[in-house]
Amino acid sequence: DAGVIQSPRHEVTEMGQEVTLRCKPISGHNSLFWYRQTMMRGLELLIYFNNNVPIDDSGMPEDRFSAKMPNASFSTLKIQPSEPRDSAVYFCASSSTGGGNTIYFGEGSWLTVV
Amino acid sequence: TQLLEQSPQFLSIQEGENLTVYCNSSSVFSSLQWYRQEPGEGPVLLVTVVTGGEVKKLKRLTFQFGDARKDSSLHITAAQPGDTGLYLCAGGEYGNKLVFGAGTILRVKS
Repeated sequence: DAGVIQSPRHEVTEMGQEVTLRCKPISGHNSLFWYRQTMMRGLELLIYFNNNVPIDDSGMPEDRFSAKMPNASFSTLKIQPSEPRDSAVYFCASSSTGGGNTIYFGEGSWLTVV
Repeated sequence: TQLLEQSPQFLSIQEGENLTVYCNSSSVFSSLQWYRQEPGEGPVLLVTVVTGGEVKKLKRLTFQFGDARKDSSLHITAAQPGDTGLYLCAGGEYGNKLVFGAGTILRVKS
């Protein structure tokens, strides 16, 4: 079975530009997570959805960040406008209710804002 | 949000040595997981422990969940270069939410 699929794998953009990261969760999973990983702060949960509904967005850093999940097989994380401090690896992950909290991660989107 | 502290932060050892990585919290978790992350990849689940005092073995890796479900350890016997990576512990909170520790970077030199 295909795992969590993220795109793009790498993106370099200029400060002020809009960035959109995309994620396709594992088919049948009903929870989707967006994490950000940096050397300084480690792996941080930004937001998670359950059955396409945002449940906890307390980790979203500020209004420049937004996430949507229009259907069970697609989610986006948007940064507008982007800033250099947003440079990080952004991971999407999914899990299924009753899966014992087991979360499956994508390979990540490496974002560099210059 | 509950916090997980991992120690040590960095560990560099020779092939064949044993090591233990610790994950501690002042809070109780419903479950605790260990992940390994290699450069350029996402974290991959190694094991889930759910019962206080539980011990699980995965080849040369031994995982233990504390009796009070607040801490865990990962012991690697006879480490190999292929064990090199970032080891993350994660505690289960409500729903499917996981809280991650900062990780332990392990380097095994041949």
